[in-house]
Amino acid sequence: GAGVSQSPSNKVTEKGKDVELRCDPISGHTALYWYRQSLGQGLEFLIYFQGNSAPDKSGLPSDRFSAERTGGSVSTLTIQRTQQEDSAVYLCASSLGGYGISYEQYFGPGTRLTVT
Amino acid sequence: AQSVAQPEDQVNVAEGNPLTVKCTYSVSGNPYLFWYVQYPNRGLQFLLKYITGDNLVKGSYGFEAEFNKSQTSFHLKKPSALVSDSALYFCAVRVLTSGTYKYIFGTGTRLKVLA
Repeated sequence: GAGVSQSPSNKVTEKGKDVELRCDPISGHTALYWYRQSLGQGLEFLIYFQGNSAPDKSGLPSDRFSAERTGGSVSTLTIQRTQQEDSAVYLCASSLGGYGISYEQYFGPGTRLTVT
Repeated sequence: AQSVAQPEDQVNVAEGNPLTVKCTYSVSGNPYLFWYVQYPNRGLQFLLKYITGDNLVKGSYGFEAEFNKSQTSFHLKKPSALVSDSALYFCAVRVLTSGTYKYIFGTGTRLKVLA
């Protein structure tokens, strides 16, 4: 079956511009996660959606970052007024259940964001 | 603070030799531990997890990991390395913070298997 997909695969933007990153989770997965992977760093948690519950936004680094998940499926991560330090690979993952259940996560290929 | 550490940025091993990628953790309560692998230009893939039960967990591609509670470790192992095992490996732990569960990932260990 289809895995987690993300688009675009690469995005180059000028400092100050807004960007939208898209994630299509595996069908039937109720949990969706966004992470950021910077060079030489581990995965930094950004935001977590579980079903119809309010998202856990505790990992968002600033109010320039926001995310939505429509219809319990597709999610969009938006970064406003991008800064050079936002350059990273943004990874999306989904799982059958949320944190309370120890399901493994399935990751997309990521979007490489470069802010010039 | 709850955390997970991968003390080695890179591990080199000759093909056919056993490999170990180290992971240690610091969490409150019982840990849920995971290993993921990231091949070049691909997303992370789940390898194995420890939730409870047998301390030796077997996973994909011949990998296994041993949960050691006294040493707070969850090292990834394989008896005989393949060149195709060369990749970036991440250890992760589920933690409970302020009433919410999160996954904390290590910084990754790059495994290089030499032919």
